[in-house]
Amino acid sequence: DAKTTQPPSMDCAEGRAANLPCNHSTISGNEYVYWYRQIHSQGPQYIIHGLKNNETNEMASLIITEDRKSSTLILPHATLRDTAVYYCIVKRGSNYKLTFGKGTLLTVNP
Amino acid sequence: EPEVTQTPSHQVTQMGQEVILRCVPISNHLYFYWYRQILGQKVEFLVSFYNNEISEKSEIFDDQFSVERPDGSNFTLKIRSTKLEDSAMYFCASRVQRDRDEQYFGPGTRLTVT
Repeated sequence: DAKTTQPPSMDCAEGRAANLPCNHSTISGNEYVYWYRQIHSQGPQYIIHGLKNNETNEMASLIITEDRKSSTLILPHATLRDTAVYYCIVKRGSNYKLTFGKGTLLTVNP
Repeated sequence: EPEVTQTPSHQVTQMGQEVILRCVPISNHLYFYWYRQILGQKVEFLVSFYNNEISEKSEIFDDQFSVERPDGSNFTLKIRSTKLEDSAMYFCASRVQRDRDEQYFGPGTRLTVT
């Protein structure tokens, strides 16, 4: 699975959009980009995933660059409850396991 | 909304004792996982389980560990002889089917080995 690079921490004001970047320059054609988050000491929570196209669901939007070497997770209106560690994971669909890195600690401030 | 449940939420045990951590995955899910997270460290994959057998395991998952799906609902992780370094949060996860890749995690069991 391709390696990912994320900033260790970010801040965001409540109600504003949070844009979390992820670099995955060695991604290969059959690898997907997944985003999970972990609110303090809880189990990780699936957010969204994509292959090439931008994706949106009720939680977030995922923007993948045309060359697929980077992506951005967007939380459109961040709330205090969105404070968490966000993990960007790149993996083949056929792989069973998730390999977590250190992620980005997003702190949403009032 | 269906969710993965885990019991107990906290288990304290003495070094050398056996522990069994229990999970109830989401009912129509077919793939099951255990992960662990030592305090302050990354979430680490331990094992995946499908069709009543282990499909992949990590180096951490040595002979001291075993998994079982004893009935249609429970999925257990057994540690035969616990060590101090087994102290961690243990997360169970499940996934519905091969072409749906989202994993749903339980709240975790905090294992403390003294």
